[in-house]
Amino acid sequence: GQQLNQSPQSMFIQEGEDVSMNCTSSSIFNTWLWYKQDPGEGPVLLIALYKAGELTSNGRLTAQFGITRKDSFLNISASIPSDVGIYFCAGQGGGTSYGKLTFGQGTILTVHP
Amino acid sequence: SAVISQKPSRDICQRGTSLTIQCQVDSQVTMMFWYRQQPGQSLTLIATANQGSEATYESGFVIDKFPISRPNLTFSTLTVSNMSPEDSSIYLCSVGEGLLGNQPQHFGDGTRLSIL
Repeated sequence: GQQLNQSPQSMFIQEGEDVSMNCTSSSIFNTWLWYKQDPGEGPVLLIALYKAGELTSNGRLTAQFGITRKDSFLNISASIPSDVGIYFCAGQGGGTSYGKLTFGQGTILTVHP
Repeated sequence: SAVISQKPSRDICQRGTSLTIQCQVDSQVTMMFWYRQQPGQSLTLIATANQGSEATYESGFVIDKFPISRPNLTFSTLTVSNMSPEDSSIYLCSVGEGLLGNQPQHFGDGTRLSIL
């Protein structure tokens, strides 16, 4: 089955630093999504990417859909304490996999004030 | 985006029992999904809940263990049957909006299940 490799597994940074995390896949995806999960809550959608090469921003967040359709990255600029949480990438396929999401293992982000 | 409510939010159950989790959406949605998140792990798709027909299960998940209902476009249930400690997880409902259900999925807050 499809697998996503997300790295790094965890990050410990100082407030104000920039953060970068990425996902790679052995398979092609039609859509790449980035979610954030806070303790006790479900994942919340941050950014959705629909086309290879697409670069999309949402405030301090920037994400790109890789040209090969097998990878994506998420950058967070000027981190703040509320950025703490677990970040997941997810790939959405087409055809018989339509609508189904495959998730990366997650990146645990800790921001020190 | 749709507002998704899950009940219960958490429960502690005895092994061998079954629990039904409800997912209610405040608008009609094309697609509904059920995921499992084991402690400290990522999310794994259990099944796609199909309105008016049997759910489509992913490899490793079977209907006898995780029966799913979806009687209409706003509601679905997942039952965790004959529970064992290995079933202790967060169970999450998600929805795909849009005519084709191809809008990015949004998640409920999950049901935190502990089996003793």
